[in-house]
Amino acid sequence: DAGVTQSPTHLIKTRGQQVTLRCSPKSGHDTVSWYQQALGQGPQFIFQYYEEEERQRGNFPDRFSGHQFPNYSSELNVNALLLGDSALYLCASGGLAGGREQFFGPGTRLTVL
Amino acid sequence: KNEVEQSPQNLTAQEGEFITINCSYSVGISALHWLQQHPGGGIVSLFMLSSGKKKHGRLIATINIQEKHSSLHITASHPRDSAVYICAVLGGNSGYALNFGKGTSLLVTP
Repeated sequence: DAGVTQSPTHLIKTRGQQVTLRCSPKSGHDTVSWYQQALGQGPQFIFQYYEEEERQRGNFPDRFSGHQFPNYSSELNVNALLLGDSALYLCASGGLAGGREQFFGPGTRLTVL
Repeated sequence: KNEVEQSPQNLTAQEGEFITINCSYSVGISALHWLQQHPGGGIVSLFMLSSGKKKHGRLIATINIQEKHSSLHITASHPRDSAVYICAVLGGNSGYALNFGKGTSLLVTP
């Protein structure tokens, strides 16, 4: 079992660009949550996907959007990047098989210049 | 929002010491996670608790639902335990989102 995987590991973009981050959940998991962790801060909930729908959303602008595919993998898209979007983006998966436990991926480090 | 408070914020211990990190929350929850994060690294789930106590190796986690309090204990601490330990709660008025504490930065010296 590969656990939760994320790609890419690191990414550098410039202001105004768009970025897509990817996440594959742990085998057997059907929910994917995305979190943003700014340097020195705790993670903040962006949204959660379940059955290919956004089930809950945190306090993030519409520039942040996502998608979940039939195989439960997920993408996070961020448009019109701002310097403040620089952060570690974490994906966590969960499902009935694991109860409510969430397993985290290694994260994608996004730097916006 | 469920307020999650951790203490202490920073902790330095000598190798071999018994360590306790505390977490309290303000609203009833369905589950509590203890997580570990090394500098610059991703997050590793250590425990998920909804009641009682769990043990894994040198780590022990307890939760008291009535008192809205959880503790993470590390026995016989080792320098490789140096990391940030984060308490996160699920449920209450946060729905499906984990609500994180600010973390406890632990340094274990040889």
